[in-house]
Amino acid sequence: AQRVTQPEKLLSVFKGAPVELKCNYSYSGSPELFWYVQYSRQRLQLLLRHISRESIKGFTADLNKGETSFHLKKPFAQEEDSAMYYCALDSGGSNYKLTFGKGTLLTVNP
Amino acid sequence: EADIYQTPRYLVIGTGKKITLECSQTMGHDKMYWYQQDPGMELHLIHYSYGVNSTEKGDLSSESTVSRIRTEHFPLTLESARPSHTSQYLCASSDRGTYGYTFGSGTRLTVV
Repeated sequence: AQRVTQPEKLLSVFKGAPVELKCNYSYSGSPELFWYVQYSRQRLQLLLRHISRESIKGFTADLNKGETSFHLKKPFAQEEDSAMYYCALDSGGSNYKLTFGKGTLLTVNP
Repeated sequence: EADIYQTPRYLVIGTGKKITLECSQTMGHDKMYWYQQDPGMELHLIHYSYGVNSTEKGDLSSESTVSRIRTEHFPLTLESARPSHTSQYLCASSDRGTYGYTFGSGTRLTVV
């Protein structure tokens, strides 16, 4: 069975500092990985997906199959990045369900 | 505007009442999902559907039931609400070709 682990429940950084939110997964096949974000009082929304290899709001994430990781990074954090971040895995095939990690609450201090 | 809608946004009800949480999407997505988001913010899949007349239980055991009679509508029903059902319920839909989910705004349920 697939599993997504986000080891940090809380992460606090200062504005302008680099930030890395960790995500490790357990799955034997070729998964699709996503990062979702939930800002205060807003709905959960897709931030980025590994397959498109895009950068959204300055965030990037690289799939490392050797380390089974999909860490989210941003070189210079902004206060508006404060939010709850979820890593999610889609095992693909005919199983169209996303498995979410427990989430990391990021706080960017001024 | 193509979107996914959940009603009500907030609901406070008494123990033992029957309630239905509504979820509708206008994007033509065939796959729909219900997640329960607990106070620690963890998401648990409780029901999903891959199309009309298709419903499955998710990873987290739930006393709720769902139906999918129309593509756009995926209501969740609690026959007898209890305080342990107090939570936020998120509905989502997906078009496999675009990957990922679109989430609704959620229903925050409080059972007193």
